[in-house]
Amino acid sequence: KAGVTQTPRYLIKTRGQQVTLSCSPISGHRSVSWYQQTPGQGLQFLFEYFSETQRNKGNFPGRFSGRQFSNSRSEMNVSTLELGDSALYLCASGRDQETQYFGPGTRLLVL
Amino acid sequence: EDQVTQSPEALRLQEGESSSLNCSYTVSGLRGLFWYRQDPGKGPEFLFTLYSAGEEKEKERLKATLTKKESFLHITAPKPEDSATYLCAVRHHLNYGGATNKLIFGTGTLLAVQP
Repeated sequence: KAGVTQTPRYLIKTRGQQVTLSCSPISGHRSVSWYQQTPGQGLQFLFEYFSETQRNKGNFPGRFSGRQFSNSRSEMNVSTLELGDSALYLCASGRDQETQYFGPGTRLLVL
Repeated sequence: EDQVTQSPEALRLQEGESSSLNCSYTVSGLRGLFWYRQDPGKGPEFLFTLYSAGEEKEKERLKATLTKKESFLHITAPKPEDSATYLCAVRHHLNYGGATNKLIFGTGTLLAVQP
């Protein structure tokens, strides 16, 4: 069974730009969550989607947004990038209320 | 406030030297405690899920246990390939009773096993 896939794997952007990251969950998984990982803050929850609905949101500014499509694939968008947005962005999928499995992440560098 | 604390922050072992990693938590209504392993530059790899106090899970050289306040990851006779960051995370029920898959993570234990 294929795992969670994330694209792109690496991104370099400049301040003020916007970026869209994509996540394809494991087949059959309708829950998708996004996390930001930095050396200083560790893994921080961004938001989660279940059946195309955002069910929970972390403490991040409105520049961070996401959506989920009918095939459970999800995207997250960051607008007006700041230097502090440089991080590893991780997507996790699972069956509802069960174990979440993580993808390889997208490494974003903001210059 | 919901919190997960892992100790030690870093641990260096000799190959074959057994030890334990600790994860203590304060959450309301635990709905699962999860252990993941993360290698540099990669996503967390799932290891174990524990749901209730007294539960134990084993996989090769790893054994996870759960009490009402903490979890331990025991590593027996570790090998250099066990070197990684081990992350603990919890899921809890929401105050209003809604469902969530949100995980609250600890900061991890960086394990180095020397040959």
